[in-house]
Amino acid sequence: EAQVTQNPRYLITVTGKKLTVTCSQNMNHEYMSWYRQDPGLGLRQIYYSMNVEVTDKGDVPEGYKVSRKEKRNFPLILESPSPNQTSLYFCASGQGANQPQHFGDGTRLSIL
Amino acid sequence: AQKVTQAQTEISVVEKEDVTLDCVYETRDTTYYLFWYKQPPSGELVFLIRRNSFDEQNEISGRYSWNFQKSTSSFNFTITASQVVDSAVYFCALSSYNTDKLIFGTGTRLQVFP
Repeated sequence: EAQVTQNPRYLITVTGKKLTVTCSQNMNHEYMSWYRQDPGLGLRQIYYSMNVEVTDKGDVPEGYKVSRKEKRNFPLILESPSPNQTSLYFCASGQGANQPQHFGDGTRLSIL
Repeated sequence: AQKVTQAQTEISVVEKEDVTLDCVYETRDTTYYLFWYKQPPSGELVFLIRRNSFDEQNEISGRYSWNFQKSTSSFNFTITASQVVDSAVYFCALSSYNTDKLIFGTGTRLQVFP
């Protein structure tokens, strides 16, 4: 089954404790991206990747890091999380930015 | 800069009513792509439609239809004879040939009451 898998689905943690949200896709897609969803703000792109070792900033990259060492994986790293990063996060993949995106089920992060 | 505006934050209708969700976009690129996604109460994001800037033909899929007008930079979505299962947040999104970013609007929450 074609899917994008995010883990964990839920996480409550404390300020400053490094965390990683994993994202994996099994569709051989070149394009992967991360979004955060906040009330009233819609979905905002954090980072995207056109291919292995090629990543670029979206609209809200501050406080986040990503890496794309393998085509199927695109982890989101919060090196020093802060409460303003409390949000619902989605990973997505597609053949390209101009193609339909497949989204993971989301990760709800709470930073205390 | 690219931008997507969904001015309707929330819309409530009664079943069987028709409803139109508005989407206005801004881009300087001549080649671009527009999308609609649905987010039902269960939370997943589901792709509905993709349109490129050279194809202004309206599209109909069952009770769903999309009206793309370059003259007004709009890509509106109409649900005919709405049903309770249509209750969701709907997002309009924009990407362009010259950038790899995907820009979403703030979404419109549609509530369909029985």
